Amino acid sequence: AQSVTQLGSHVSVSEGALVLLRCNYSSSVPPYLFWYVQYPNQGLQLLLKYTTGATLVKGINGFEAEFKKSETSFHLTKPSAHMSDAAEYFCAVRLSSGYSTLTFGKGTMLLVSP
Amino acid sequence: KAGVTQTPRYLIKTRGQQVTLSCSPISGHRSVSWYQQTPGQGLQFLFEYFSETQRNKGNFPGRFSGRQFSNSRSEMNVSTLELGDSALYLCASSWTAQETQYFGPGTRLLVL
Repeated sequence: AQSVTQLGSHVSVSEGALVLLRCNYSSSVPPYLFWYVQYPNQGLQLLLKYTTGATLVKGINGFEAEFKKSETSFHLTKPSAHMSDAAEYFCAVRLSSGYSTLTFGKGTMLLVSP
Repeated sequence: KAGVTQTPRYLIKTRGQQVTLSCSPISGHRSVSWYQQTPGQGLQFLFEYFSETQRNKGNFPGRFSGRQFSNSRSEMNVSTLELGDSALYLCASSWTAQETQYFGPGTRLLVL
């Protein structure tokens, strides 16, 4: 079984500031981890994913995330926020072995102010 | 390569009616999953199909059903609509059930 907790339903940053969106997971076996972004009235777009290998994963639009097994975390960061980053972000997990569905966190709305 | 397409994009129905939503996966993808997204419950897994077979089903009543055709296109059906069925229904496709899922734009259903 697996679950995801995203800390903070809303995060506000100023344009140019660091973006940090938190995600903690629970998984009975090594996980595959994902971050998706959803803009208003759109579907989910894959930002990045961790399956195996390097624990620091780089994605699109300047985002990256680090898999920390000891902390069961997969936080999403971006050094400098842009107004266009304002959206809802979802962390998701699935098991790396056997069959499992994709389980999502509740989402974090990122607000970017000028 | 074209992405996942969903039709219709918007739909208004009344309680008691039924509705059918359609999803065309990315070419070559054989797995299709459906999710319901609401403000209160977030993203909830409905079901997943692979090669015309339902592989898994989420915790939804029997009013929710789906199927997949030989060309991998999928439909989901909701019968006897309730107000609480108002939601964004998202379809995602992948090469296999365990590969990365790519989402369509969703169908927004409003039940009056």
